[in-house]
Amino acid sequence: GQNIDQPTEMTATEGAIVQINCTYQTSGFNGLFWYQQHAGEAPTFLSYNVLDGLEEKGRFSSFLSRSKGYSYLLLKELQMKDSASYLCAVLDSNYQLIWGAGTKLIIKP
Amino acid sequence: GAVVSQHPSRVICKSGTSVKIECRSLDFQATTMFWYRQFPKQSLMLMATSNEGSKATYEQGVEKDKFLINHASLTLSTLTVTSAHPEDSSFYICSARSIRDSYEQYFGPGTRLTVT
Repeated sequence: GQNIDQPTEMTATEGAIVQINCTYQTSGFNGLFWYQQHAGEAPTFLSYNVLDGLEEKGRFSSFLSRSKGYSYLLLKELQMKDSASYLCAVLDSNYQLIWGAGTKLIIKP
Repeated sequence: GAVVSQHPSRVICKSGTSVKIECRSLDFQATTMFWYRQFPKQSLMLMATSNEGSKATYEQGVEKDKFLINHASLTLSTLTVTSAHPEDSSFYICSARSIRDSYEQYFGPGTRLTVT
């Protein structure tokens, strides 16, 4: 079966750095997405990785290791507005998105 | 670019009635549209995938006669919840995949359905 694992909840302090991990087992791989979702809103795109390595975009970076079936989202200089759920999703061989359950990130002052 | 709209954003209806939700890609043509449902504090659950001009493909456990999907054009898909019941109350989100991209999905803002 297809499976994506990420922690249910994480807590971090404003101004700090947090890393949200995601491991996956899917039938085929055509890339991995990270989305941010605030409560009551639709997901918004953060990043897309299809090759191994680190992609940096401002305060957010995403890393992928295809051989390990592993990705992480790194958030730096955390702000209160970063409190949200972060969803990891893998595009499988049929170009269908397989979703993780999401990680709720709580930022404390 | 790549904007997806949904209408209505919020709807309250009585049990037994039907509700139609529209999903439009505003500035691109969408070969494929997806309909998701999300219950509070849970992740997105894919309900169905629809391609323009063909029948939708429903995920296991989703009743196709209850959740009618029509994808009549490259910019519009509709989801009709028929004979709605309180347990259908949820956040319904559509997404669209562009003809240009084979991978990214662009999400609509979602529709909050409450069935009383």
